[in-house]
Amino acid sequence: AAGVIQSPRHLIKEKRETATLKCYPIPRHDTVYWYQQGPGQDPQFLISFYEKMQSDKGSIPDRFSAQQFSDYHSELNMSSLELGDSALYFCASSLLVLGTSDTDTQYFGPGTRLTVL
Amino acid sequence: AQSVTQLGSHVSVSEGALVLLRCNYSSSVPPYLFWYVQYPNQGLQLLLKYTSAATLVKGINGFEAEFKKSETSFHLTKPSAHMSDAAEYFCAVSDRGSNYKLTFGKGTLLTVNP
Repeated sequence: AAGVIQSPRHLIKEKRETATLKCYPIPRHDTVYWYQQGPGQDPQFLISFYEKMQSDKGSIPDRFSAQQFSDYHSELNMSSLELGDSALYFCASSLLVLGTSDTDTQYFGPGTRLTVL
Repeated sequence: AQSVTQLGSHVSVSEGALVLLRCNYSSSVPPYLFWYVQYPNQGLQLLLKYTSAATLVKGINGFEAEFKKSETSFHLTKPSAHMSDAAEYFCAVSDRGSNYKLTFGKGTLLTVNP
């Protein structure tokens, strides 16, 4: 079965540079979530999109922005990178159709490991 | 706000022994609860979920969890540990009021000794 695809898998950047992370949800999924997992930490919710509209926002820095496109893929843009942005960034997708057994189940991609030097 | 607490950041068992990973939740509404497993340098894989149907939930790889409202718990168990079960396990709760975003516990690292 198709899974969530994230690219790139690894990314190395210098401080103050920009980075763009991409996420391709499972086909027909309408919702995308972004999470940040620091070293030895639990994943923290950043932002989500439902049907291409931002649906919720967590502890996402103002330096970060994201959007979901017409084909449902999503991009997380990160500017003025700081050392503390080094983390594993996960994208997850779900299908929010009430009444189905799979409602509310998020499927995660393999993550993008961002290293800021 | 919803939250989950995982008791024990590190659990060590012998191969063949019972695995018990503890998770307690806090929620003002009936929760949706999940267990995810993360192998080193990999993504999060769904083990099982509770969404207000049967209180005993069976998942993949022989794991199961029981939802106990009176104890606000959702502990993960497996009768017999296998070396391949060594991984980080996260309990999570879904916030239905915020587009179902997940709030994770701090995780429990399971090691399995031969």
